[in-house]
Parts: sequence; structure tokens; C-alpha cells
Amino acid sequence: DAMVIQNPRYQVTQFGKPVTLSCSQTLNHNVMYWYQQKSSQAPKLLFHYYDKDFNNEADTPDNFQSRRPNTSFCFLDIRSPGLGDAAMYLCATSRVGGPGTDTQYFGPGTRLTVL
Amino acid sequence: RKEVEQDPGPFNVPEGATVAFNCTYSNSASQSFFWYRQDCRKEPKLLMSVYSSGNEDGRFTAQLNRASQYISLLIRDSKLSDSATYLCVVNPRSSNTGKLIFGQGTTLQVKP
Repeated sequence: DAMVIQNPRYQVTQFGKPVTLSCSQTLNHNVMYWYQQKSSQAPKLLFHYYDKDFNNEADTPDNFQSRRPNTSFCFLDIRSPGLGDAAMYLCATSRVGGPGTDTQYFGPGTRLTVL
Repeated sequence: RKEVEQDPGPFNVPEGATVAFNCTYSNSASQSFFWYRQDCRKEPKLLMSVYSSGNEDGRFTAQLNRASQYISLLIRDSKLSDSATYLCVVNPRSSNTGKLIFGQGTTLQVKP
């Protein structure tokens, strides 16, 4: 089945230790998004890729970086995780410019714990 | 003012009740609207898209009022399984990259 896959589902890291979260999709969508969601809050967009074009949100900390080596994969790198970065990280995809434009499809998320 | 605003609730209703959620948006140029459902510790899942005046899917009806800039979600004959957080989502058309704006969500708890 076509889908959005995130690995790992649960990640525990130590304060300051770099961590990478991965997302892959079989939907062949041209846009991939990374969101951070904390308890009882809406998902907060960190950045997104429109094809190879990277779009950073103005309030995304420099501690967060992203890579999209090809259409199917996108990575979220947290260079020096702090306690405040503990959250659910959601990857989403959409096909912009075609039928069903705008609708975003989410992966199951990676829950990050920072010790 | 937030771009998308929802009453966070929680809404506590008995099974079988009808419940309605409202959502307001600030950008009058917004063109597409969605309701997503999110279960506790799970990812958001698309419930309904609202592209014109509104649409219906079984027990769920979404309405759009462009003049007043709000959308609503009506759930009839509530089931225990409807308990979740409902996210109002808007494409403000401020970019062409499909960026969406999420409301903070409305929590629904359906009780036996």
C-alpha cells in the first residue's frame, strides 16, 4: 500500500547528542513536510521541500536541519537536542499542482525523548 | 489573532448526541479547507475536505461560510469511537507549496 513511513517510531537520545529521524513515501508526492507536535498543541511546521526546494519556517531553530536526497526520502536532523525538543515529529506529504492538491498525508510519527 | 482558531473544548457528549465544532480563519483568500481527526498519540488523518459550500459523509457534515470566514463540522449520532481531537486545517494560499495552517484542535469525548 502506498504510504508515508517514519523510522524509528520511538527515539531516545541524550541531551546534546545528535539525532536523525527519517521519512519515506511511496506516494510519489512532490512536497514533504516536517512538523513538531507537543502535547495538546497543533502540529507546528518546521520546514518543507517542494521538490528539491527547501522552505524553512522563520521561527524554526537553527538546531533543526533537513535533507531530501531524492523524491522518496526526507530526513530531520537535530544537531544538539535540548529537553524542549522532546515531542512527536510528524512527516507529511502532498501532491501540489494536481488532483487532490493540498491534502496532506501523515506518517505515524516519531516520538522523541531527550534525557 | 491566530490564523486558524478553534474552541479547544473538551466537548463531553453522550452517545447518540449531535455535536458541532466551529473554526474561524483570518485569511479571506483561503481556498481549501479540511478537517483532520487525531487520536491520542497518533498522527492526524484526513476526515473531510471542504472545497465549496460544504459536504457530507455519513454522520459527518462540513459547512463553509466564506462571508463569515468559518467552517463547521457536525457529527450526528455520536459513537464512542468518535472520541478524538478534530483539527481544522486551512490552505491560506499565501504560498504555492501546499503549506497548511492548523488550528489547535477541538477535543471530543463521547461517553456511554
